This record gives sequence, structure tokens and C-alpha cells, in this order.
Amino acid sequence: QVQLVQSGAEVKKPGASVKVSCKASGYTFTDYYLHWVRLAPGQGLEWVGRISPNSGGTDSTPQFQGRITMTRDTSITTAYLELSSLRSDDTAVYYCARDLWVLGSRWYGAFDVWGQGTMVTVSS
Amino acid sequence: DIVMTQSPDSLAVSLGERATISCKSSQSVLYSAINKNYFAWYQQKPGQPPKLLIYWASTRESGVPDRFSGSGSGTDFSLTISSLQAEDVAVYYCQQYYSTPYTFGQGTKLEIK
Repeated sequence: QVQLVQSGAEVKKPGASVKVSCKASGYTFTDYYLHWVRLAPGQGLEWVGRISPNSGGTDSTPQFQGRITMTRDTSITTAYLELSSLRSDDTAVYYCARDLWVLGSRWYGAFDVWGQGTMVTVSS
Repeated sequence: DIVMTQSPDSLAVSLGERATISCKSSQSVLYSAINKNYFAWYQQKPGQPPKLLIYWASTRESGVPDRFSGSGSGTDFSLTISSLQAEDVAVYYCQQYYSTPYTFGQGTKLEIK
């Protein structure tokens, strides 16, 4: 079945970096955008960015630009989110999510398959 | 950025009764050339990732019970649960995918009265 499996929880100090992985299975990895969405304590869902596993092209919410790196390794069908210069307000559950529509569609941006989430805690 | 505002923030409804959640976007998410609203609803239960319920404002995702329905167009949308079940207790989020950055509402917590 279609599945996204994420790496385990992380605890980091302010100013450090974190790298979260998302392993895809059950579908053709390069056919769909992979998105990253986070849920901070007491907050709502926030879209972080997306990567095209086919081309490697990315885009992200402006507030993360300069701190975020999204990459993928097609040989192991895995996407990665790296966030640097961590702050306490980056503490959140980070989810990867697959786009509902195949690359080449006229529309994107709804998310039909989600990873289980990775808790990232930033604390001194 | 398109701002999504949900109401109410929390809602308590008796089992078997109707529950309605509203969402307003700061600008239209209707792409008039194809008459589609770039709008979705998600359900999130504690300790679980979000689940897609509805996209194109009113199209139910496969496997979603038909007691869930979405309506609205342009800037005003609603999610209705026709007969609340115990398993519907969750936080519900609206989302626009008309333009990046994709944005969500703040969430509505639905409980049993």
C-alpha cells in the first residue's frame, strides 16, 4: 500500500540543524510532489514547502527561505527536510505528505497520504 | 498570502446531530476558467496525521463516509457532518491550494456534547 515512513524524534539546541527523512513506498516516487507540513504546539497546520522528486525542484514558504533545504534520493525513494538555525518556535511535529495529483497535472496542493510525523524539539 | 479563517474555534454537538464548520478565505480561491475552488478539508485526530476529507470544496475523498459534505464557493465554505458519530471527534482544518504558500485555517475542535 502507499506509505510514507518518517525518521524518529529529534531534540536539538537552538542554532543547530535537523534533518528529517521520509521514505516512500507503494507508488512511483518520482510521479508526485512531496510536501512538508508542520504542527506546532497550540498552533494550526503550516505548509513548509515541497519538492518535485522528479526534478529536485523546490519551493517553500518565504519565512523559511534561507533556513530550509529539501532534497531527495530517488535510488532509495526518500525525501529529506533540513532546517538550520533552529529556534524554540521551530518545535513542532513535521509531516511529509504526498500531493493528490500526479506531476504534469494542471493542479496541485491537496495532500492525500501523510507520514506519521516527526517530533522536533528545540530546547537549550 | 491567502489567510484562512475558521469559525467557530470549538464546537460541541450531540451524537446524531448536525455539525457545521465554516471557513472564509481572504481572497477568492475559485479559478473561474475551470469553475473549480482550490479548497480542501482535513480531519486530524490526536496522535494521528491529518486525513484528507474533501477537495475541490465538495468532492469527498475515497472512503470518506457520506455524512461528511462540503459546500461553498469563492471565499466562503462550510463542512457539514450530517449525523455526528463518536469517531468524528477531531480537529478540522480548511486549506487553500489556489496559490503558494498553501495555507490552512487555525482549526476547529469538534467535541461531543
